[in-house]
Amino acid sequence: NAGVTQTPKFQVLKTGQSMTLQCAQDMNHNSMYWYRQDPGMGLRLIYYSASEGTTDKGEVPNGYNVSRLNKREFSLRLESAAPSQTSVYFCASSEALRSIEQFFGPGTRLTVL
Amino acid sequence: QKEVEQNSGPLSVPEGAIASLNCTYSDRGSQSFFWYRQYSGKSPELIMFIYSNGDKEDGRFTAQLNKASQYVSLLIRDSQPSDSATYLCAVRGDRGSTLGRLYFGRGTQLTVWP
Repeated sequence: NAGVTQTPKFQVLKTGQSMTLQCAQDMNHNSMYWYRQDPGMGLRLIYYSASEGTTDKGEVPNGYNVSRLNKREFSLRLESAAPSQTSVYFCASSEALRSIEQFFGPGTRLTVL
Repeated sequence: QKEVEQNSGPLSVPEGAIASLNCTYSDRGSQSFFWYRQYSGKSPELIMFIYSNGDKEDGRFTAQLNKASQYVSLLIRDSQPSDSATYLCAVRGDRGSTLGRLYFGRGTQLTVWP
């Protein structure tokens, strides 16, 4: 089992460009999450999906959109990238919202120039 | 909004010592508390979960929870260089619109020197 996979691993964008970060899990989990991690800031929740067909905003949703494509896949889209979105993005999944453990993917390091 | 504060560190201890990591949280109604370990350039991984007042031990790790003081700590006994990492404290929302959401502190960087 691969667990949680993310693509791409690294990306450089220019201000105003758009892109989609992909996330997939093979653990048959219901819930999936997108976080960003900035130096010295810990992880902050951007969006999450409690189950297939539902999505909700987290702490820092502005500038992002998400799609829960199916039970396995949860994508994060930046419509018009800004330098403030330079960060490391982590996708995570858990069996359910109340599950003890969230399993994290390897992360995508995004730089916006 | 749930605030989670960690002692800023960095924390440096010699091999074999006890490392003590501390965390406070703002929401008195919080029930579930987590410690994640994150090696440099890697993703976080769960090492401890606690929800009852008192101590919970797992090998060399002990989590301590004091809900009255809104305080969570992680003790690492017999620290090893392989314990060198950033330790993230997290509090989970357990009701309403915060259900299942993790709120992380900024992390404490621990270095264990041989």
